[in-house]
Amino acid sequence: DTGVSQDPRHKITKRGQNVTFRCDPISEHNRLYWYRQTLGQGPEFLTYFQNEAQLEKSRLLSDRFSAERPKGSFSTLEIQRTEQGDSAMYLCASSLGQTNRLSGELFFGEGSRLTVL
Amino acid sequence: GQNIDQPTEMTATEGAIVQINCTYQTSGFNGLFWYQQHAGEAPTFLSYNVLDGLEEKGRFSSFLSRSKGYSYLLLKELQMKDSASYLCAAFASGSARQLTFGSGTQLTVLP
Repeated sequence: DTGVSQDPRHKITKRGQNVTFRCDPISEHNRLYWYRQTLGQGPEFLTYFQNEAQLEKSRLLSDRFSAERPKGSFSTLEIQRTEQGDSAMYLCASSLGQTNRLSGELFFGEGSRLTVL
Repeated sequence: GQNIDQPTEMTATEGAIVQINCTYQTSGFNGLFWYQQHAGEAPTFLSYNVLDGLEEKGRFSSFLSRSKGYSYLLLKELQMKDSASYLCAAFASGSARQLTFGSGTQLTVLP
């Protein structure tokens, strides 16, 4: 499978615990995005990498959230001291950013569903 | 900032035609996208419009009017498998080259 893969697919945790999600993008894609999606809503932008550089973070990304893409390949999203409001699907997407069209055509992973009890 | 509006739900009959509208307000504009998302699955790309007019791709067509800040997705010959959420997304220049999504229109196709 050469698509975007995310791990784990499901995570149940207790409030206050830390969780980490991993995303492996399509190998030749230089751009990687994290989005969060709750039931009945569209994906909300969290952060974006071009290669290993984190170029933008949403105001939604509190200081409990941190994302890395150390070698410009896979990325991790860590949530510290989880809260019940963090329960959502965390989607990773990648794109090949050479033109505006291609950088907009995001290829999404299946998502990591987080449930905070 | 950006604001994207689309209807929450629509229902149509198998074999029919349905039009899903989207209006947007963006501080800059560089393209309008439609994505399809089945329940529990990842969004998948359907169409992209950057110039005014209609783009046709099989049973799906997408229209854009930049002056009106308006787009629609037209689905023809509806099939049961078309039941899904349809997400309108605007790609704004000057931002972090990221897409901002609407809340999605949940389409239910009835037999």
